[in-house]
Amino acid sequence: RKEVEQDPGPFNVPEGATVAFNCTYSNSASQSFFWYRQDCRKEPKLLMSVYSSGNEDGRFTAQLNRASQYISLLIRDSKLSDSATYLCVVRRDTGRRALTFGSGTRLQVQP
Amino acid sequence: DAGVTQSPTHLIKTRGQQVTLRCSPISGHKSVSWYQQVLGQGPQFIFQYYEKEERGRGNFPDRFSARQFPNYSSELNVNALLLGDSALYLCASSPPQGATKDNEQFFGPGTRLTVL
Repeated sequence: RKEVEQDPGPFNVPEGATVAFNCTYSNSASQSFFWYRQDCRKEPKLLMSVYSSGNEDGRFTAQLNRASQYISLLIRDSKLSDSATYLCVVRRDTGRRALTFGSGTRLQVQP
Repeated sequence: DAGVTQSPTHLIKTRGQQVTLRCSPISGHKSVSWYQQVLGQGPQFIFQYYEKEERGRGNFPDRFSARQFPNYSSELNVNALLLGDSALYLCASSPPQGATKDNEQFFGPGTRLTVL
């Protein structure tokens, strides 16, 4: 079983739609959580950190449920430029601070 | 400010050969991590270095090795290349703990390695 599991998609949605991605993680020692965005053949870039209280950045909302070991990302009013792969990422904050990535969920926003 | 840089951008090797990939972190960053990303998968952790010392190693064979230099740049070496080593190799640097954005790893554009 992978440490971070994501639905690979693709999610094909029209412009303006709301789309939600989910992710589960298996290592209860995970302490920090992130969503990264990766465009085709480019490097991953941090989209947002995820906090237990939930957090919002413009059209993006991230939620964390530690009890269920579940992370979500909600994108409202989708834009064509949101088309990318979204990577769910966890990290232990003791010892080595390596990131553990899910396989990513591909989003295609269509006109 | 320049971001993380990596060289070369692309590389083609044959099975059994050896390869060296290079990474320069963002100025002021002392920690460098290496990741391997196979097509269709997320990046997988290989090594982390901080102040020239190895701080962590992922589940990769001994054919993979790395080092960090006094200027904090880093090299990743892979010996006896296999077809399965074909991947995008990503380097990431992060600020010292306590610095701004110390929670973030900044990735370079990667080196795309093809093993024939």
